[in-house]
Amino acid sequence: NAGVTQTPKFRVLKTGQSMTLLCAQDMNHEYMYWYRQDPGMGLRLIHYSVGEGTTAKGEVPDGYNVSRLKKQNFLLGLESAAPSQTSVYFCASSYGRVGYTFGSGTRLTVV
Amino acid sequence: AQSVSQHNHHVILSEAASLELGCNYSYGGTVNLFWYVQYPGQHLQLLLKYFSGDPLVKGIKGFEAEFIKSKFSFNLRKPSVQWSDTAEYFCAVIGKHNNDMRFGAGTRLTVKP
Repeated sequence: NAGVTQTPKFRVLKTGQSMTLLCAQDMNHEYMYWYRQDPGMGLRLIHYSVGEGTTAKGEVPDGYNVSRLKKQNFLLGLESAAPSQTSVYFCASSYGRVGYTFGSGTRLTVV
Repeated sequence: AQSVSQHNHHVILSEAASLELGCNYSYGGTVNLFWYVQYPGQHLQLLLKYFSGDPLVKGIKGFEAEFIKSKFSFNLRKPSVQWSDTAEYFCAVIGKHNNDMRFGAGTRLTVKP
């Protein structure tokens, strides 16, 4: 089925460890986004990309890095995980600026 | 950048009651507005969207929303809720000259059978 695929679905990290979350879309969308969802705070934009090779900061970019080497993939990296990064991470993509398709999320716990 | 506020954090209704969830946005120009729903354990799904034209927008599952430009509001309504509407609802906005969508904090709706 076409859509947005996130891997992994669950992960537990120790403080200071690093990891990369992968988002892949097969809809040929130009725009891709990483959000984090925390109780009572909704979704907050971490980073986004308007095309292959481009990235931009969102509302809460600190502690995260991203790369968009291929149009279909958008990677979110945590270089040194902290407990404050415990969250559910959602990737989304869109053809233009609107009409987002969301992935099923990655639940990350940092202990 | 644009921002969104949702007034209600948690709403509890009985089946067949009417629903109205508030949403206000802050942005100085033209916006596109959205309501998304997130059922427990699932990802966000689009309920409805407003781009231009008729300010009363109808979406899926009997939901509708009204854009009131003078009040910077985009409230979600449903005449008669069902138990299956239990979910979290998010209002979102994207400014005409922006590339990123911003979400409100969400309203959790619990419908008692």
